[in-house]
Amino acid sequence: KAGVTQTPRYLIKTRGQQVTLSCSPISGHRSVSWYQQTPGQGLQFLFEYFSETQRNKGNFPGRFSGRQFSNSRSEMNVSTLELGDSALYLCASSPTSGPNNEQFFGPGTRLTVL
Amino acid sequence: DQQVKQNSPSLSVQEGRISILNCDYTNSMFDYFLWYKKYPAEGPTFLISISSIKDKNEDGRFTVFLNKSAKHLSLHIVPSQPGDSAVYFCAASGSWTGNQFYFGTGTSLTVIP
Repeated sequence: KAGVTQTPRYLIKTRGQQVTLSCSPISGHRSVSWYQQTPGQGLQFLFEYFSETQRNKGNFPGRFSGRQFSNSRSEMNVSTLELGDSALYLCASSPTSGPNNEQFFGPGTRLTVL
Repeated sequence: DQQVKQNSPSLSVQEGRISILNCDYTNSMFDYFLWYKKYPAEGPTFLISISSIKDKNEDGRFTVFLNKSAKHLSLHIVPSQPGDSAVYFCAASGSWTGNQFYFGTGTSLTVIP
């Protein structure tokens, strides 16, 4: 089975621009979660989508948004980029939503904001 | 507010010896804990988990210990191998968190041949 894929792997943007990141979960997985990883902060939860519905949202401003399609693929959008948005964005999938689910991570998208 | 903490940013261990990675949490309602390993340029990969109804779970060279009263868990790797060199994250969740996991900041383990 193919793993979680994320595109693009690397991205450079300037302040004020917007960006869209894509995540394809493992086949059959219906839950997709997004995390931001920055040095010293670990992985911070952004949101989770299950069956095209946002199930849970972390403590991030409204500039961060996402969506999920009927094939479970998910996109994350960040508008009006700030320097502090530079980070590794990780997507994780699991078969279902709910607690005690092992999550399978993709390789991440490295976003640099100049 | 960091609910899961890994206070040691780095750890170096000789090959063949035991590696002990520590993790503390603040929310006593967490009931499921995991360890992930991350190599550079790759996403985290699941290593081992433990439910709060247990105090120990073992999988080959990896053992996770949970001390609920101290809100502390640890990962033991015995014997340590150079291929174990990676960043290790602990994570916690509860029945109310859905698929949201709270991660620590990671400990970078270096196993010296």
